[in-house]
Amino acid sequence: GEDVEQSLFLSVREGDSSVINCTYTDSSSTYLYWYKQEPGAGLQLLTYIFSNMDMKQDQRLTVLLNKKDKHLSLRIADTQTGDSAIYFCAEGGDTGRRALTFGSGTRLQVQP
Amino acid sequence: NAGVTQTPKFQVLKTGQSMTLQCAQDMNHNSMYWYRQDPGMGLRLIYYSASEGTTDKGEVPNGYNVSRLNKREFSLRLESAAPSQTSVYFCASSYSATGGRETQYFGPGTRLLVL
Repeated sequence: GEDVEQSLFLSVREGDSSVINCTYTDSSSTYLYWYKQEPGAGLQLLTYIFSNMDMKQDQRLTVLLNKKDKHLSLRIADTQTGDSAIYFCAEGGDTGRRALTFGSGTRLQVQP
Repeated sequence: NAGVTQTPKFQVLKTGQSMTLQCAQDMNHNSMYWYRQDPGMGLRLIYYSASEGTTDKGEVPNGYNVSRLNKREFSLRLESAAPSQTSVYFCASSYSATGGRETQYFGPGTRLLVL
């Protein structure tokens, strides 16, 4: 079955860049997503990338996709304390399969 | 728009009790989902409903039932709660579940403790 893996924890200093990595197994994934979960809240979509793209930039966020290695990353530039949260990678979108497959989440801690 | 709403926010049950978690969305989405979130395990799909009148099992359906009451509402029922069902439950919705960009919008979650 499909599998999505992420490292559990990342700690950075305020102002540094953060890079959160994700690997997935389903080569038929059409879209890959990054969601953010703040304490006590639901998941909020941050950004997504279509599988035929290598990179997508959205303000401080840069998503890189290496489809050959099935590797996805999220780079947050100038990381702020408000970026402290759990970040989930998810894949899905191929015809016939419902819903998304989520990774276990990476907890980002931003030190002031 | 309220987006996706869930009730209750918190619930404590005793083993064997039953309860229904409610979810509603006001975005005219076709598809709705129930996930559970456990520490270190991400989100796991319990059931989903691709459209009004249809429901399908996800990854972890045992011990749960669902009802797609209408296009807006999708409820999750625990008939006989067990401690293993202690979790945070999230409802989500999306416009379509038949491929293509599948942006899911999440509710705030229901925290359930089964004693």
